[in-house]
Parts: sequence; structure tokens; C-alpha cells
Amino acid sequence: EDQVTQSPEALRLQEGESSSLNCSYTVSGLRGLFWYRQDPGKGPEFLFTLYSAGEEKEKERLKATLTKKESFLHITAPKPEDSATYLCAVQAGGSYIPTFGRGTSLIVHP
Amino acid sequence: DGGITQSPKYLFRKEGQNVTLSCEQNLNHDAMYWYRQDPGQGLRLIYYSQIVNDFQKGDIAEGYSVSREKKESFPLTVTSAQKNPTAFYLCASSISAGNTIYFGEGSWLTVV
Repeated sequence: EDQVTQSPEALRLQEGESSSLNCSYTVSGLRGLFWYRQDPGKGPEFLFTLYSAGEEKEKERLKATLTKKESFLHITAPKPEDSATYLCAVQAGGSYIPTFGRGTSLIVHP
Repeated sequence: DGGITQSPKYLFRKEGQNVTLSCEQNLNHDAMYWYRQDPGQGLRLIYYSQIVNDFQKGDIAEGYSVSREKKESFPLTVTSAQKNPTAFYLCASSISAGNTIYFGEGSWLTVV
């Protein structure tokens, strides 16, 4: 059975303290890996799509990378406004429906 | 502006009532989806539709129903058969099946 696991469940950082969030997956035939940001009480906001191992994408302080087994979302010099839950989703095999992880709740203290 | 509009934002349901959540998109997307989100859990798929007049059950379809009579609209009815309906409901769409999914702002449903 396909599975997507995000770690850690929660992460607290000081402003400016860089770190990484992990999304590991066990699927057959990865078609795409998606990262979303979700603020409390709102719908997820699309950040990145990665398609193949070695691919990287950046947006402001965020950088997403992909290997054959996992993806990392690197946050460089985070600010309090980066506080949110970050969701990872994987699309694989013959299904076009992505499977979502449970998310990592990030809090950045000023 | 293009986007996905869900209404109402907050909805209260009495025991035994059916309620309908609205989802409208003006992105000209073919595929639409309904997810349920509970605290500490990932998004769970309720129903999805690849094209007008066609839809399929997701992982947790029991107690829910949908229709797709227009490309722009994909309403979700939470029936009295749904035993634990209190949750945050998210509507989403993609240009076609297999492409990036974009979400609406969500609707909170509470059973009173």
C-alpha cells in the first residue's frame, strides 16, 4: 500500500534558524510530489511540484528537493510569517489521485 | 479573479438533517474533488469528478453524495447517514486528472 510520511509532526524554530522538513514515500512509479502550505482555517496553498529524483525548486525562503525515497522542504532564515502547516502529497502509478501526508506544523518565533 | 469558491464558510447541522456544501470554480478546470480534513489526519478523499456528469467514490464516500451537472460546480451533500460529519471540508480542482490540484478556502461543518 502506498504511504506518505511527514516528519517531524511539529517543529519550532527561532527566526533565522534554518531547517528542513521531510516527506518520505513508499510508492510504485512516482508521477509527481507536491508541497502545499496551509494556514489555520484555510485551504492548502500550492507551493511546488517535483517530478523526478534530483529535481529542485525554489520560492523565496523555501527550496524543495527530491530523491527516489523522499523529499525535503528546506527553509532558509525563516520568518514568523512562514509559520503554517506544510503538506506533502504523492501521485503514483496508475492513479492520478495524490495521497497526502499528515503534515508538519511549523512555528517560527520572533 | 479566478479561483475556487466554497460556501458557506461555517455551517451547523442538526442530527438527522442533510446539508449541502457549495463549490464553484471559474478556472475552466475539468476535474474537481472533495476532501475531508480532521485534526491530526491527512486529507481524505470523499468524491472526485474527472468530467461533467461523471464522478467516482473516494476513500470515505459513505454518507456523502455529489453531483456534477455543470463544469463549474461540484456540490457535496452530507447526509444523515454520515455518523461523524463534524470536520473541515475542502473542495479542489485541477485542469485535468493528474495535474496539480488547487484548493478552495474550506467549509467548517459542525453537528449540534
